[in-house]
Amino acid sequence: NAGVTQTPKFRILKIGQSMTLQCTQDMNHNYMYWYRQDPGMGLKLIYYSVGAGITDKGEVPNGYNVSRSTTEDFPLRLELAAPSQTSVYFCASSKQVLEAFFGQGTRLTVV
Amino acid sequence: GENVEQHPSTLSVQEGDSAVIKCTYSDSASNYFPWYKQELGKRPQLIIDIRSNVGEKKDQRIAVTLNKTAKHFSLHITETQPEDSAVYFCAASRKDTDKLIFGTGTRLQVFP
Repeated sequence: NAGVTQTPKFRILKIGQSMTLQCTQDMNHNYMYWYRQDPGMGLKLIYYSVGAGITDKGEVPNGYNVSRSTTEDFPLRLELAAPSQTSVYFCASSKQVLEAFFGQGTRLTVV
Repeated sequence: GENVEQHPSTLSVQEGDSAVIKCTYSDSASNYFPWYKQELGKRPQLIIDIRSNVGEKKDQRIAVTLNKTAKHFSLHITETQPEDSAVYFCAASRKDTDKLIFGTGTRLQVFP
């Protein structure tokens, strides 16, 4: 099992550019999450989903969008990238409210 | 919404000593409290969790205690080893919203 897979692992964006962070899981988990982790800081919830077609805002949703058209995939879209979005992004999945499995992270730098 | 506070932010202990990390939560409806360990440059991984119908849970050198009345829970690591050095995160979730909210993390250093 691959678990939770995120792509890309690293990315440099220019201010104002857009990109999509991909996340896919092969564990048939219904819950999926996007977190950001700023240097030396904790994990902040951006968006989450409890199943295909259902998404909801987390603690820091501004500047991001998500979709959940399938159980496996939960992409995170950044529109008009800003330096404040420089961070490490983690996708995670879980079977209901149980252990969350994290992807390896995407390190994003906006310059 | 839920707010999780975690203390201390850094903790240094001698190998063999015990380490305790404390978290408080704001939402009395929260009912699931996991702890994650994140080694440098790696993804967070679950080390232990507890539900609100249980007061204490142990797994070898790791234990978690929950005080629902005071809305706080703690991670206890006994006989610490250098490989316990990492950042530890607590988290809280409630069944009806399903958000998993994390604390700010504790950087634990175990010195040989």
